[in-house]
Formats: sequence, C-alpha cells, structure tokens
Amino acid sequence: EPEVTQTPSHQVTQMGQEVILRCVPISNHLYFYWYRQILGQKVEFLVSFYNNEISEKSEIFDDQFSVERPDGSNFTLKIRSTKLEDSAMYFCASSTGANGEAFFGQGTRLTVV
Amino acid sequence: SQQGEEDPQALSIQEGENATMNCSYKTSINNLQWYRQNSGRGLVHLILIRSNEREKHSGRLRVTLDTSKKSSSLLITASRAADTASYFCASDPYNNNDMRFGAGTRLTVKP
Repeated sequence: EPEVTQTPSHQVTQMGQEVILRCVPISNHLYFYWYRQILGQKVEFLVSFYNNEISEKSEIFDDQFSVERPDGSNFTLKIRSTKLEDSAMYFCASSTGANGEAFFGQGTRLTVV
Repeated sequence: SQQGEEDPQALSIQEGENATMNCSYKTSINNLQWYRQNSGRGLVHLILIRSNEREKHSGRLRVTLDTSKKSSSLLITASRAADTASYFCASDPYNNNDMRFGAGTRLTVKP
C-alpha cells in the first residue's frame, strides 16, 4: 500500500542551525502538507502546498520556515535558524485533492538543543 | 484559529465496551476526518465524512456529523485493548486548504 515516508525519523540539532526535513508523498497525490506536534499537545497546521506554491500557511509558519518540492518526488521543510521551541514531531501529509483523505507519514522528531 | 475540539480529553473503558468521542469545530467544512495516533507515532487515517453526509460506518467505527451543531462523534464498538491510542478529529474548512486538528481524546481500553 502506498505510504508517505519521512526522513530522518529523528534529528538532533544545535540551536541556530538549519534543518531540512524530508518527505516523499504518495506518488499520485497533488496536495502536500506539513504539521507539527509539540510533545503532548495538539497537531498544528503549518503549511499546505499545491501546484508548486504555498496555498495556505498558519501563523506558526513564519520567515524561518520554507517549503520546497525540488524534484518530482520530494517535499521538504526547512527551518533556517532553529530555536528550542521548534522541538516537536513534524508530520508530512499528502492527498489527491484539496478535500480528500490526507495520509500522514510517521513523522520526524526534531530535538533542538 | 484552530478548529476541532474533542471531548472528553481522556477516556478509560473496559475491553468490550463502546467508546464515544466527540468533536466540535468552528467554521463551515468540506469534510471532517478522524485519525488515530499511537503514542509517539504517526497519524493513521480512520474515516472521512463529507459535509453532506450524516453518518458513516467502517468496521467497528461509526462516525456521525451534525453540521447544524458543528459537531461530530466517533463511536468505537466492542473495544479492544489494541484500540488504546489518541483519537483526533480534523476539520477541512470550506474554501481553505488548511485542515485543522483538535486536541484529541486519549482512549485507554483495559483488558
């Protein structure tokens, strides 16, 4: 069964460093998303992406964040200068349509020290 | 603003009992989706109900949607210990592509 894959599963980084989280969405999906979940808290929407551009973004998704689909398969989330409060699980998701089922990856646990 | 607030926050039941979790949301939606998350793991899609549907079944899951009250419920019948997880609703707002999650219900099913 097709699935969304995310790498790495766990990343530890120094505060102020840049990180890139990688996702391979399901191949025939057109809509891509990033969410984050701080430990013990709710899942928060960061950004949605369609047709090579951001379609929606939340108040969390500030200038420190960027997304890219550099080739036909990968979808990346970059955090330019990480802060301690960026520590969270980051989930990638994809769907066939704007109102379809969204399938999630297993997440990348980001720890900023 | 975040959509989708679940209640209860935590629910503990015995194996074999039914579990009902509720979700409310704030704005008009295209659909509402329920997800399951085992501790520290990814989100597994359970069921999607569209705004023009009132009830949907999938195995032991039954989801209802009341758009007039902006609420949904997830019923798990004949619960099993393996159903222990957090359950989240996610509302897909009309005209926006930013599905929003509630805080989740932590379900514990005791064997």
